[in-house]
Amino acid sequence: AQKVTQAQTEISVVEKEDVTLDCVYETRDTTYYLFWYKQPPSGELVFLIRRNSFDEQNEISGRYSWNFQKSTSSFNFTITASQVVDSAVYFCALSEANTGTASKLTFGTGTRLQVML
Amino acid sequence: NAGVTQTPKFQVLKTGQSMTLQCAQDMNHEYMSWYRQDPGMGLRLIHYSVGAGITDQGEVPNGYNVSRSTTEDFPLRLLSAAPSQTSVYFCASSTDRGKYEQYFGPGTRLTVT
Repeated sequence: AQKVTQAQTEISVVEKEDVTLDCVYETRDTTYYLFWYKQPPSGELVFLIRRNSFDEQNEISGRYSWNFQKSTSSFNFTITASQVVDSAVYFCALSEANTGTASKLTFGTGTRLQVML
Repeated sequence: NAGVTQTPKFQVLKTGQSMTLQCAQDMNHEYMSWYRQDPGMGLRLIHYSVGAGITDQGEVPNGYNVSRSTTEDFPLRLLSAAPSQTSVYFCASSTDRGKYEQYFGPGTRLTVT
């Protein structure tokens, strides 16, 4: 069975600080996808990134970066120079990479990030 | 292109009542899913579909039925609502063409009293 663990329930930072959200996963599959979603206070789910298991290259998108380490089964998310608009709940998720099953996501319990002025 | 739409946005039911949560997508996606979100538990998969006429159970299917008669629509039925079904429900769609990104609807907040 697949499992995603986000051990940090809530994080508070002051604006402009860097913050890293941790994600550890478990799967028996050799190929799989990892995702990060953002859920702002308005409630919608916003897709941030998808990474497949055979691509361990780290990715940067503006102030966001992701560190995928297969050896430790981790897919951590870093926000550089955090802003108040980053305040949200962030979910890490996992799916198999087989056809059709990529539509079945296993989510972590989420990390609530609060960025204060 | 509306993406994934869900109706209603809010609903209050009494225990034992039935209702259908509607979900539609206009992106011609093969795959559609229903999740429920409860405090401290993340999102959990209820049912999913890999195409019209094909559905399967997810992690928490009890108390819910689904059907997929068209590519566009994937309604979720509660046959006899229970307080344990109080939750926020999200519908999602995705495709094998290109990215495996799930597009989520805005959610339905359901309260069962």
